[in-house]
Amino acid sequence: NAGVMQNPRHLVRRRGQEARLRCSPMKGHSHVYWYRQLPEEGLKFMVYLQKENIIDESGMPKERFSAEFPKEGPSILRIQQVVRGDSAAYFCASSPPKITGANVLTFGAGSRLTVL
Amino acid sequence: SQQGEEDPQALSIQEGENATMNCSYKTSINNLQWYRQNSGRGLVHLILIRSNEREKHSGRLRVTLDTSKKSSSLLITASRAADTASYFCATISGNTDKLIFGTGTRLQVFP
Repeated sequence: NAGVMQNPRHLVRRRGQEARLRCSPMKGHSHVYWYRQLPEEGLKFMVYLQKENIIDESGMPKERFSAEFPKEGPSILRIQQVVRGDSAAYFCASSPPKITGANVLTFGAGSRLTVL
Repeated sequence: SQQGEEDPQALSIQEGENATMNCSYKTSINNLQWYRQNSGRGLVHLILIRSNEREKHSGRLRVTLDTSKKSSSLLITASRAADTASYFCATISGNTDKLIFGTGTRLQVFP
């Protein structure tokens, strides 16, 4: 019973390249969350999705960042034209079909993006 | 935006001592959760306390919630070196299901 799987664990990109981070939720979970963590800081909410639907993207930067959770396959966080400030750990979490207000999240191990 | 602010930012204690971490938040909540993060790892859920609860226990963990002061505390009793980690509070508010995390407390337990 695998938990939340994220890949790649480490990704190095040069400025201007694209970064794609993948997240497979825990079996039976229908909702996916993406968070960003800078060194020595807390987690900043980015986006919350269910299959084929973005529920809340209030934490996503307006440009260059996008997320999807297709009917088949993992959720993907895509960062276009990366800049050094995008260097961070990106965590994915999932939750089961929900009881509103009682979400407990299961986190993946994170994907660490380094932009040179 | 950050909902929770945690205090202290860092805490160092000896094994066997108790560790207390505090969390303050800004808006009314449905529940408050505490998570733990070991260095370089993802977060692990520890305990959830609902807005109509005042105290909850789980093993060596004790969580209190004071909604009038918009604050919570996490107490770890008889700490162990393995408790060394960062601890985050997180809240859910209103009809949203997104979990907003605090800034975290870095706990160091010396053997």
